[in-house]
Amino acid sequence: EPEVTQTPSHQVTQMGQEVILRCVPISNHLYFYWYRQILGQKVEFLVSFYNNEISEKSEIFDDQFSVERPDGSNFTLKIRSTKLEDSAMYFCASTPRPIYGYTFGSGTRLTVV
Amino acid sequence: AQSVSQHNHHVILSEAASLELGCNYSYGGTVNLFWYVQYPGQHLQLLLKYFSGDPLVKGIKGFEAEFIKSKFSFNLRKPSVQWSDTAEYFCAVIVGGATNKLIFGTGTLLAVQP
Repeated sequence: EPEVTQTPSHQVTQMGQEVILRCVPISNHLYFYWYRQILGQKVEFLVSFYNNEISEKSEIFDDQFSVERPDGSNFTLKIRSTKLEDSAMYFCASTPRPIYGYTFGSGTRLTVV
Repeated sequence: AQSVSQHNHHVILSEAASLELGCNYSYGGTVNLFWYVQYPGQHLQLLLKYFSGDPLVKGIKGFEAEFIKSKFSFNLRKPSVQWSDTAEYFCAVIVGGATNKLIFGTGTLLAVQP
């Protein structure tokens, strides 16, 4: 079964550093998403991406965050200057059509120290 | 704002017990409803989904859910749980219209004791 692939699985970074989280969505999917889950809390929407542009973003997704689809396969989330509160599990997801439900990747655990 | 409520934060059951996890949403228009499961240390996996037709939907691993429009509910059920069902369960909704984002409930942690 096709999978959404995320790398790295775990990243530790110092506060103030930039990080790039990488995702390879399923190849024929058109909609892409980033979510995060702070330990012990709910899964929160960050951003949706369709037709090479952001279609929606949450209040969390401020100027420190950006997304890119630099080529036909990768979908990246960049955090420019990490804060301690950015420590969370970040999930990428994709779908051919939202009502079908999303396929999630296995996540990147980001730890900011 | 749209929201999804899961009433039970933590449920403990013995093997073979029946399971029902509650989920309510707060939107009156067209909705698509989902249950996801997250096994310890793993990613979110789709259990089942509803977007039209028969309000009783069957998913993987013996789970089912019933959409009751009048109650804004989409409760998850399983007649007999197993130890391997120990996981966190998330109800989620996509609201029709301008947004296509999946909104998650707070999750229910299920622990099944052997």
